[in-house]
Amino acid sequence: ETGVTQSPTHLIKTRGQQVTLRCSSQSGHNTVSWYQQALGQGPQFIFQYYREEENGRGNFPPRFSGLQFPNYSSELNVNALELDDSALYLCASRPGGGITEAFFGQGTRLTVV
Amino acid sequence: AQTVTQSQPEMSVQEAETVTLSCTYDTSESNYYLFWYKQPPSRQMILVIRQEAYKQQNATENRFSVNFQKAAKSFSLKISDSQLGDTAMYFCAFMKLSGGSNYKLTFGKGTLLTVNP
Repeated sequence: ETGVTQSPTHLIKTRGQQVTLRCSSQSGHNTVSWYQQALGQGPQFIFQYYREEENGRGNFPPRFSGLQFPNYSSELNVNALELDDSALYLCASRPGGGITEAFFGQGTRLTVV
Repeated sequence: AQTVTQSQPEMSVQEAETVTLSCTYDTSESNYYLFWYKQPPSRQMILVIRQEAYKQQNATENRFSVNFQKAAKSFSLKISDSQLGDTAMYFCAFMKLSGGSNYKLTFGKGTLLTVNP
């Protein structure tokens, strides 16, 4: 167990809808990153939040947005869903102090129909 | 931009034997970390082993060891005494060491390892 939990585990949405995925990190983990893992691919970095501010972003459009809260939880929001957004979404958190290990959640499987 | 390449989509090994998974990467950075992550069917990524680029000594964690060749930009994972529980997808990942707190991981496409009884 990594102490990082994601909800829901599975989700089916219709093209054009909006979705919010949630991640709960361990206490003290002030950095959270989100990744998209398409079927048969490695995870792709979406963005990272550090102390509630976005401080890094991958090659994803603005309809992918996020929030990080003081209680070490975070959200990934995706607007105007497209079929290609179907993937496993992983969150990963880190404690402070320069620790490099990322602790991953079990992911949310999003299917867009 | 960094790239990570895993050239073996699938591998299999008999229980108790040794297997090596390959990974190459491309970067212009001099300070970075390399990782091997395991993703079992439960989907949760688990860190197997990490290597700091400035360390010449290869990292070892119990049955897992790496062969890090910085000049060749190669980072292979050796699993000794393979166990059925080692069956999983294995990802090689790169992380640049930056002065700030950006911990972006760049992953390869993965190698599916099957350990046969």
